[in-house]
Amino acid sequence: AQKVTQAQTEISVVEKEDVTLDCVYETRDTTYYLFWYKQPPSGELVFLIRRNSFDEQNEISGRYSWNFQKSTSSFNFTITASQVVDSAVYFCALSEERTGGFKTIFGAGTRLFVKA
Amino acid sequence: SAVISQKPSRDICQRGTSLTIQCQVDSQVTMMFWYRQQPGQSLTLIATANQGSEATYESGFVIDKFPISRPNLTFSTLTVSNMSPEDSSIYLCSVVSLDGNTIYFGEGSWLTVV
Repeated sequence: AQKVTQAQTEISVVEKEDVTLDCVYETRDTTYYLFWYKQPPSGELVFLIRRNSFDEQNEISGRYSWNFQKSTSSFNFTITASQVVDSAVYFCALSEERTGGFKTIFGAGTRLFVKA
Repeated sequence: SAVISQKPSRDICQRGTSLTIQCQVDSQVTMMFWYRQQPGQSLTLIATANQGSEATYESGFVIDKFPISRPNLTFSTLTVSNMSPEDSSIYLCSVVSLDGNTIYFGEGSWLTVV
């Protein structure tokens, strides 16, 4: 069964702290894709990263980094030196191929508060 | 990247009425989806909008309540029928880029049913 778990409902940090958002997924497929999205208070969904199941290389983009570990079915997201503008809800998502296309489901989201 | 326009962006609707949400993409895309995000919740997939054929609905969603059309590769509509306060949500249109690398979302249609 397809499932995404973001166990952290809310995280509160002080500016400049590092913070890691956890994501654990379940799938029976060998080919799948993992995503992270940011949803700021304005409501739009901002694409952050996509990873396919065959690429376990960690990725860094500025203050953002992602750690993908198939052995533990985790795709964690770290923000280094957090800023107030990072305050948002962050969603982890899993896509699997299905007949005629593929299906994406989202985790419950983690609300990050970054205080000045 | 794909630019997605959704209309209306917000609306307040009377109980029992229906509302159609439009989704227009500025480029041809293969797959279009409709999601619902209830207040404070995550996104739930309603259906996959198939061009020229009936949409594929997820468990818990039916065509009578959420009829969907997709007459071409760049346009789709979602109707929320016979609305009740429980239908108050953000409805989001989503598309997949042609290279399959990215899923894009519209800005959402915020519906409040009173």
